[in-house]
Amino acid sequence: EAQVTQNPRYLITVTGKKLTVTCSQNMNHEYMSWYRQDPGLGLRQIYYSMNVEVTDKGDVPEGYKVSRKEKRNFPLILESPSPNQTSLYFCASSLYRGGETEAFFGQGTRLTVV
Amino acid sequence: SQQGEEDPQALSIQEGENATMNCSYKTSINNLQWYRQNSGRGLVHLILIRSNEREKHSGRLRVTLDTSKKSSSLLITASRAADTASYFCATPPGGYQKVTFGTGTKLQVIP
Repeated sequence: EAQVTQNPRYLITVTGKKLTVTCSQNMNHEYMSWYRQDPGLGLRQIYYSMNVEVTDKGDVPEGYKVSRKEKRNFPLILESPSPNQTSLYFCASSLYRGGETEAFFGQGTRLTVV
Repeated sequence: SQQGEEDPQALSIQEGENATMNCSYKTSINNLQWYRQNSGRGLVHLILIRSNEREKHSGRLRVTLDTSKKSSSLLITASRAADTASYFCATPPGGYQKVTFGTGTKLQVIP
């Protein structure tokens, strides 16, 4: 089954404790991206990757890191999480460049930083 | 600021009625997509309309695009309770690298 898998689905952590949210897709998609969703602000793009070893900043990259060492995986790293990073996070992938084809979304990771 | 903005923010209708929601955007685009999100879950792609298309249909969905007005509309005909969700438009401003979503229209269909 074609899917984007995020882990964990729920995470509560403390300020400053490094964490990684994993994202994996099984569709051989070139493009992957991370979004955060906050009430009243919609979805905002954090980082995106056009292909292996090619990543770039979205609209809200501060406080986040990503890597794309393999085509299928695109982890989101929070080196020193802060409470303002409490949010619902989504990973998405699409066959080609971001807006050219439909995106497939993971089920989301609800992160709480206390 | 958002590239795409949906209107209205919320919409409540009776089952069987039609639901119309609109999306306005700021910069020129190559295509526009509509997505649905059930509460707190991942977005699901509904339809993609290219800049050279004016109208597109998919089942009970009808999407129009007016590039001169920089706007799109999504019409859901004969709505069902299962259509209750938030609907987002997505645009790749100035190329395909980035994708920008609006804040969404929250649709409630009352049985």
